[in-house]
Amino acid sequence: DTAVSQTPKYLVTQMGNDKSIKCEQNLGHDTMYWYKQDSKKFLKIMFSYNNKELIINETVPNRFSPKSPDKAHLNLHINSLELGDSAVYFCASSQDVGDGYSPLHFGNGTRLTVT
Amino acid sequence: AQSVTQLGSHVSVSEGALVLLRCNYSSSVPPYLFWYVQYPNQGLQLLLKYTSAATLVKGINGFEAEFKKSETSFHLTKPSAHMSDAAEYFCAVSILTGGGNKLTFGTGTQLKVEL
Repeated sequence: DTAVSQTPKYLVTQMGNDKSIKCEQNLGHDTMYWYKQDSKKFLKIMFSYNNKELIINETVPNRFSPKSPDKAHLNLHINSLELGDSAVYFCASSQDVGDGYSPLHFGNGTRLTVT
Repeated sequence: AQSVTQLGSHVSVSEGALVLLRCNYSSSVPPYLFWYVQYPNQGLQLLLKYTSAATLVKGINGFEAEFKKSETSFHLTKPSAHMSDAAEYFCAVSILTGGGNKLTFGTGTQLKVEL
């Protein structure tokens, strides 16, 4: 019973293509996130959604478009892929109880390689 | 702005030796602090979190961390390292937003455990 699942696990594509990564959580959480981990393992938040509403959008190029059809799903679509988009993308979720302590539950990541 | 700094991108210890991974935070308000572990090709897993109820926080797998306000530190320790502890460790500080926690991560510390 995977709590936060992402597909695909690996994604290899050429520059200029459009691709999507899907994420689903079965924890009943209100909030979902996308994080990007670069080649130096640095993690940075990209987006967060709370009950399907976009809350955080961290100066990400508008080639990246998240979509949340319901609170259990958060997909990431990337247009016109560039070499610099190569990274591991992590989906995460949390139950927002407004106290700052709610831990994030992460998926296993999608390794995107742009050639 | 709230941030965390992890000293030492690589730490190597012998099996059975003390593990000490350093994290210092910068925050103008009481921080929400976390330690996460990332095993190879996996997502991040919560080790422990600081909730202000106690300065010494116990986590999973025998790890603990002590919050020291005077030193603005939240170092992670384990009395006796095991081979299975080899992983990447991330300290993180949480910022409350209108919908969810925005986790800002340190740059990570790779722990190597040698026989």
